[in-house]
Amino acid sequence: KQEVTQIPAALSVPEGENLVLNCSFTDSAIYNLQWFRQDPGKGLTSLLLIQSSQREQTSGRLNASLDKSSGRSTLYIAASQPGDSATYLCAVGSPTGANSKLTFGKGITLSVRP
Amino acid sequence: GAGVSQTPSNKVTEKGKYVELRCDPISGHTALYWYRQSLGQGPEFLIYFQGTGAADDSGLPNDRFFAVRPEGSVSTLKIQRTERGDSAVYLCASSSGVAKNIQYFGAGTRLSVL
Repeated sequence: KQEVTQIPAALSVPEGENLVLNCSFTDSAIYNLQWFRQDPGKGLTSLLLIQSSQREQTSGRLNASLDKSSGRSTLYIAASQPGDSATYLCAVGSPTGANSKLTFGKGITLSVRP
Repeated sequence: GAGVSQTPSNKVTEKGKYVELRCDPISGHTALYWYRQSLGQGPEFLIYFQGTGAADDSGLPNDRFFAVRPEGSVSTLKIQRTERGDSAVYLCASSSGVAKNIQYFGAGTRLSVL
């Protein structure tokens, strides 16, 4: 059974700092990996998706990497801003084809201090 | 519609009652997913539809939970004889089923069983 771990559970940084959020998973046979953002009381917003054949994806100040063999992914946030404060969830897609269910970590709650 | 819509946004019910939660996916999306998120946890997969049929219902916790998607668009998650442990946010997601299979989430229904 796939298990996804995100440590630490919470992180507080000053504005402007570059930071890395970590995600690990137990089964390397994945279809894809997705990073989401969740604001309090809201649904999930997809930030980046990395296919199993890819190593990284970039969008603006965000960069996500994937190392399937070691079961790890990182989300790099450059020049953090108070508006980046949210919970960041990592989710692994099971290898059952194009439409796969996601297994989520518990998330990392990020607070960026002005 | 522009995004995934879930109704109601909040539902309060008494133990033992029956509830229905509705999900309107993004127009044209063939795949639809239900997840459940308890406080402080990541979402957990419940069931996935491809078109009208349930392709994977392995996440449904017991036979009190049932979901339908009769016309391949709107889906309803039904919970019989609700228990206090059913209290959670129920999230719905849809995807186009092609290419990257990015899942787009609704804002969720917060279910409280008293």
